[in-house]
Amino acid sequence: EAGVVQSPRYKIIEKKQPVAFWCNPISGHNTLYWYRQNLGQGPELLIRYENEEAVDDSQLPKDRFSAERLKGVDSTLKIQPAELGDSAVYLCASSFQQGREQYFGPGTRLTVT
Amino acid sequence: GESVGLHLPTLSVQEGDNSIINCAYSNSASDYFIWYKQESGKGPQFIIDIRSNMDKRQGQRVTVLLNKTVKHLSLQIAATQPGDSAVYFCAESYGNNRLAFGKGNQVVVIP
Repeated sequence: EAGVVQSPRYKIIEKKQPVAFWCNPISGHNTLYWYRQNLGQGPELLIRYENEEAVDDSQLPKDRFSAERLKGVDSTLKIQPAELGDSAVYLCASSFQQGREQYFGPGTRLTVT
Repeated sequence: GESVGLHLPTLSVQEGDNSIINCAYSNSASDYFIWYKQESGKGPQFIIDIRSNMDKRQGQRVTVLLNKTVKHLSLQIAATQPGDSAVYFCAESYGNNRLAFGKGNQVVVIP
């Protein structure tokens, strides 16, 4: 069974530029999560989807971050414009609805210069 | 995943010895706990979980212990192997599917 797929794996952009990350969760997983992981820290939740509905986005910086999961499967996380402090690894995870065990993708390492 | 080896508590263990990694969690209402392993360049990988109605759970070469009185979680790895070298995170959840991750612990296995 394929795991959570993310692309790109690495992205380097200049500040003020836009960037987007894509995630394909494990087949059948209704719940999808986006996390940000800074160097030396654990992942921090940005947003959680149940199917196509964002049910927990309280920690998403909405002035520059946006996300969508239009058909309840794939999801895209966007930053516009990027700032230097956005440099981090962006992780996508998925789980069965109401399940607790989350499966993580390999992440996208973003570097903002 | 990120290269998270810098500035982390580090446990160096001889190959074949047992490892114990500790974690203090913050929320007394948390009812579900997970240990994740993260290797350099990869996302966190599920190791083992435990619910708050248990105090011990065993997997293959791993055991998780939960002490709710002092809000403490530990992961024991038996017969540590070089492939166990990674950063280990504990995470807690309190009913809303939101996981709160603790600080990572780097494990270095010495061949």
